[in-house]
Amino acid sequence: NAGVTQTPKFRILKIGQSMTLQCTQDMNHNYMYWYRQDPGMGLKLIYYSVGAGITDKGEVPNGYNVSRSTTEDFPLRLELAAPSQTSVYFCAHSTLAATDTQYFGPGTRLTVL
Amino acid sequence: AQSVAQPEDQVNVAEGNPLTVKCTYSVSGNPYLFWYVQYPNRGLQFLLKYITGDNLVKGSYGFEAEFNKSQTSFHLKKPSALVSDSALYFCAVSRGSSNTGKLIFGQGTTLQVKP
Repeated sequence: NAGVTQTPKFRILKIGQSMTLQCTQDMNHNYMYWYRQDPGMGLKLIYYSVGAGITDKGEVPNGYNVSRSTTEDFPLRLELAAPSQTSVYFCAHSTLAATDTQYFGPGTRLTVL
Repeated sequence: AQSVAQPEDQVNVAEGNPLTVKCTYSVSGNPYLFWYVQYPNRGLQFLLKYITGDNLVKGSYGFEAEFNKSQTSFHLKKPSALVSDSALYFCAVSRGSSNTGKLIFGQGTTLQVKP
């Protein structure tokens, strides 16, 4: 599992509901990322973190929030779910920055109805 | 702005034949280039990367890729395709001067290898 777990694996939300996607890595890596994958669109970066207490926006941050209180955990929060957030969400981590391989979790498939 | 293009949505090859999955990029500064593979209902798996040095990079499962700076390309290749290579392939780039590791992904290319 590339040293990273994501929960839940599947979730169906109603419009306006909120939820937290969990991501935990056990490799003590500083860098963590959240991506969403839409069909035919590749992966888009939502938020990233370069270490505990430090987060920043990616390409598509609207409608999401993150926190990074520990090195291991990087939860993604959806406050008011919208159908446009139906997607597959992947968490990833790496040791360093630009040159390092990112290791991806198995993903969370979210449907908003 | 950085971008990655994978011009083919799908590539079809016969088992045993060579395969190529194309990728071109646009980035300011030196690019760091990656190939990932995704099997159905799975996360992305790393195949190979180009950081610096030899333009021909060898990776997992017999795959290789050639960095061509003048053509801003990083095509993925394999001399002899296997049915088990059938999957979704992503090319990605990060900017060499970046200290965040943010990746820009292409839209993906589905590789179909037929027996």
